[in-house]
Amino acid sequence: EVQLVESGGGLVQPGGSLTLSCAASGFIVSDNYMNWVRQAPGKGLEWVSVIYSGGSTYYVDSVKGRFTISRHNSENTVYLQMNSLRPEDTAVYYCAKLLTTAALDIWGQGTLVTVSS
Amino acid sequence: QSALTQPASVSGSPGQSITISCTGTSSDVGGYNYVSWYQQHPGKAPKLMIYDVTNRPSGVSNRFSGSKSGNTASLNISGLQADDEADYYCNSYTRSSPLGVFGGGTKLTVL
Repeated sequence: EVQLVESGGGLVQPGGSLTLSCAASGFIVSDNYMNWVRQAPGKGLEWVSVIYSGGSTYYVDSVKGRFTISRHNSENTVYLQMNSLRPEDTAVYYCAKLLTTAALDIWGQGTLVTVSS
Repeated sequence: QSALTQPASVSGSPGQSITISCTGTSSDVGGYNYVSWYQQHPGKAPKLMIYDVTNRPSGVSNRFSGSKSGNTASLNISGLQADDEADYYCNSYTRSSPLGVFGGGTKLTVL
């Protein structure tokens, strides 16, 4: 079965760090463009980051320099390292696989990150 | 980049058809045939319903269809059913970023 399972969310203080994991099954992460999309409570979707199959990475402006997307090929897992967290980073973070340009066909169940003192 | 513009809410009765619009610019919706639509039920992950403006993934009902005219893409849902009640988001490729840009979302209420 093709699926993504996220983990690693939780409560963190402003300025703190957290690493999210996204374990894939049924397909090979390194052969695909893998993404992180977030949704703040009661708000819409925001595309946060992508890692291409070739290894290039891109970020939305609001997280540049603070978040790092990576993958571990042997574990078939994608990560999102989040540093210098801010209250506005509070959201459910989804991992998603790109089917074709701007189309995300496989989504994880999401993991909640709460940044608060 | 700015979010695409969607109506905040639409509604329809069971069996009716509705259309949700998604307006962008020539730098995103109008410039490329890379518009996708997602359905999201409360507390659940989004589900891809339409990609490349008009294509349906395997398993998605043919009651869902997509189109585009100029800078506006549209999602049409025919034969409304209770389970169609959900939030719907559009997304488009944009030349200003390798990341796509989402619409603000539309809440569909089935009366």
